Amino acid sequence: LAKTTQPISMDSYEGQEVNITCSHNNIATNDYITWYQQFPSQGPRFIIQGYKTKVKNEVASLFIPADRKSSTLSLPRVSLSDTAVYYCLVGVSEGSARQLTFGSGTQLTVLP
Amino acid sequence: NAGVTQTPKFRVLKTGQSMTLLCAQDMNHEYMYWYRQDPGMGLRLIHYSVGEGTTAKGEVPDGYNVSRLKKQNFLLGLESAAPSQTSVYFCASSSADRGLSYTFGSGTRLTVV
Repeated sequence: LAKTTQPISMDSYEGQEVNITCSHNNIATNDYITWYQQFPSQGPRFIIQGYKTKVKNEVASLFIPADRKSSTLSLPRVSLSDTAVYYCLVGVSEGSARQLTFGSGTQLTVLP
Repeated sequence: NAGVTQTPKFRVLKTGQSMTLLCAQDMNHEYMYWYRQDPGMGLRLIHYSVGEGTTAKGEVPDGYNVSRLKKQNFLLGLESAAPSQTSVYFCASSSADRGLSYTFGSGTRLTVV
């Protein structure tokens, strides 16, 4: 079963831009890439979603290269409240069965 | 609009006991999922459903059963709880299994002693 890969942890300072990359070598042709944010004792919350190239919303940007084997979540000017675990979700197909697999998650710690 | 509601929020079971976790969504979503989250393991898919009356196995289905008798509800059952099933369980729903975002519940913390 193919899995996604993310860095285990990252540290940043307030006001900096943070980029988190997820590798997904076996992404299916029609699958989208979705990023989630999770705070302790809460369920994951949707941040952004894309299929290819670049997507941007009010909280983040998502960069996807042409081969779609990876994606990068970009958080501009992070604050202390952005400290959380970030997951990428990619639909991974294996034969006729679908396995929806989260990455291992990246613990982002924003320091003052 | 409640979104995805999970009950109970906390539960302690003795080894061998059974229980059912309930997930209810009010967004008319077709797809529903059960995940478990363990420290350092991220979220792992247990079972999922692509519509009323259908279920399918995920990555870690052993020891669990599910049912989707009504579109809005997705039940996760543990027939004989084991300490290895101590975890936080999250339910999620989506309007399609591709292209659209998932809405998660707030989780059920289960401890098996």
